[in-house]
Amino acid sequence: GQQVMQIPQYQHVQEGEDFTTYCNSSTTLSNIQWYKQRPGGHPVFLIQLVKSGEVKKQKRLTFQFGEAKKNSSLHITATQTTDVGTYFCAGPGGNKLVFGAGTILRVKS
Amino acid sequence: DGGITQSPKYLFRKEGQNVTLSCEQNLNHDAMYWYRQDPGQGLRLIYYSQIVNDFQKGDIAEGYSVSREKKESFPLTVTSAQKNPTAFYLCASSLNRGLTAGELFFGEGSRLTVL
Repeated sequence: GQQVMQIPQYQHVQEGEDFTTYCNSSTTLSNIQWYKQRPGGHPVFLIQLVKSGEVKKQKRLTFQFGEAKKNSSLHITATQTTDVGTYFCAGPGGNKLVFGAGTILRVKS
Repeated sequence: DGGITQSPKYLFRKEGQNVTLSCEQNLNHDAMYWYRQDPGQGLRLIYYSQIVNDFQKGDIAEGYSVSREKKESFPLTVTSAQKNPTAFYLCASSLNRGLTAGELFFGEGSRLTVL
């Protein structure tokens, strides 16, 4: 079945440093979604990308969808302590979303 | 306010007991989902339902059962057949079905511990 691989599994950064998580699919995706889960919380939708090569920004967060629609990235500029949590990508597989394993971000102040 | 309500938030059960987790949504969403999350791991799909009175197995359905008698309700039963049930269970819904399901709205989760 379709798989979504996400790297790195874990990243610990100093506050103010940048952070990037990468997502790769074994198949071409019609769209890709990103979610954030705060420690002890539940996943919250961040964004959906649909077009090949699409780039979207939300303040310090930049989301990209690859030209081949098989990979995506989330980049956070100048991390803050409020950015801590787990970031998941998810792509459609059959009639459901398939989630990557997530990247855990820790920010040291 | 519209949303998804899961209950209970915390649940303890003895080995060999069945337990049912509640999930209710007032978003008028067609599709509902149950995910399991283990510490430091991603979300694994247990069951999903795209329409009332119909549901499909996800990737880890063994030891679980569901029903979808009403659009707004999708309870999950963790049976005694589930060998390692201690986990964080998340219910979600989406407005549409299938490949264009759109964003998922998650409940706050139910944390089940088997003693």
